[in-house]
Amino acid sequence: AQSVTQPDIHITVSEGASLELRCNYSYGATPYLFWYVQSPGQGLQLLLKYFSGDTLVQGIKGFEAEFKRSQSSFNLRKPSVHWSDAAEYFCAVGVEVSFGNEKLTFGTGTRLTIIP
Amino acid sequence: SQTIHQWPATLVQPVGSPLSLECTVEGTSNPNLYWYRQAAGRGLQLLFYSVGIGQISSEVPQNLSASRPQDRQFILSSKKLLLSDSGFYLCAWDRTGHGYTFGSGTRLTVV
Repeated sequence: AQSVTQPDIHITVSEGASLELRCNYSYGATPYLFWYVQSPGQGLQLLLKYFSGDTLVQGIKGFEAEFKRSQSSFNLRKPSVHWSDAAEYFCAVGVEVSFGNEKLTFGTGTRLTIIP
Repeated sequence: SQTIHQWPATLVQPVGSPLSLECTVEGTSNPNLYWYRQAAGRGLQLLFYSVGIGQISSEVPQNLSASRPQDRQFILSSKKLLLSDSGFYLCAWDRTGHGYTFGSGTRLTVV
């Protein structure tokens, strides 16, 4: 079965600094990969997704992620964080279980704190 | 455009009482629908998914059930709530390859 590991439970960075959130997955084939962001008390918003092709994907809010098959990783990056980026970030792997039906398995999340 | 609605936003229920959470999707037809639960400090656990009316798949044995009486309506229920049912419940829909779109969630506290 597929699984997702986000090794960092909590990360603190200064506003304007660069950010990298780690994500490792376990799956036998090439999966669909996603990053979501969740503000406190809210639902999840899709930041970006990878299905195939270019391994560097661009998302909303200035985020990008790179798929590295050899490392089974899909790390999220942002060159300069803003105070509004403080939130919980979830990596997910999607597996098609039947035609037209895809299940996502989520990591446990990384909480991002921004300090002035 | 497609939208997803969940209600209520917050719910406090006594142990042993029934539960009904509703989720509806607009602007699309025959969506795949999902119920997730997020416990405090933990990730998201898939509870149920549905690929069509009356078709429900359960991921984990539990005190909850789900139903899909209409194409764009997904209901999460319980006959008797347990303390362990407390959590943040999220409904989502998807089209294959596009990722999920989540509702705004329901915070359930069982007291």
